[in-house]
Amino acid sequence: AQSVAQPEDQVNVAEGNPLTVKCTYSVSGNPYLFWYVQYPNRGLQFLLKYITGDNLVKGSYGFEAEFNKSQTSFHLKKPSALVSDSALYFCAVRDSNYQLIWGAGTKLIIKP
Amino acid sequence: DVKVTQSSRYLVKRTGEKVFLECVQDMDHENMFWYRQDPGLGLRLIYFSYDVKMKEKGDIPEGYSVSREKKERFSLILESASTNQTSMYLCASSRTGVRQETQYFGPGTRLLVL
Repeated sequence: AQSVAQPEDQVNVAEGNPLTVKCTYSVSGNPYLFWYVQYPNRGLQFLLKYITGDNLVKGSYGFEAEFNKSQTSFHLKKPSALVSDSALYFCAVRDSNYQLIWGAGTKLIIKP
Repeated sequence: DVKVTQSSRYLVKRTGEKVFLECVQDMDHENMFWYRQDPGLGLRLIYFSYDVKMKEKGDIPEGYSVSREKKERFSLILESASTNQTSMYLCASSRTGVRQETQYFGPGTRLLVL
């Protein structure tokens, strides 16, 4: 079955430290992978996507994600967290019907 | 920039009422989507449309219908609202074509059914 897992409901990071939000997927064929962010009471904003090419994808707001085919993972990273990065983060993968399958979301809390 | 707007940010309705949620996008996108978002469940696809007057069921279409009479507008209809339809509703749009799967979202409508 095609699926996306975000194993952590919440991630807590001190401001200035590196952050990682985890995502693993299961999909047939080559994966198209996405990260979105949702700030409080807002819609989702696109951060970055992986389709092909370099395994390290750079996106908005200083975020990047690393595609690892052998581990079927697409973890979101940032070298130095900001308090303003506190939000809900969603990973998604395109399925064989060209629709997006969404993870349950990870709440990221950055403490000053 | 892509802009997707939704008619209401917050709605309060009573059980049994007919509810209309409107979504408009200004980037001439072919595809439009309606999701509901519930804590711990992520986004679940209700309906989508890939062209005017076309619609396809998503994962949870029961209790909902949609209408797409114009390319830029996609409406979600709750024929008879129930309390289990209390949720955040998100509209999105995207362009058709290879590498064009990025979906752009509206701000959401938080619906409370009493």
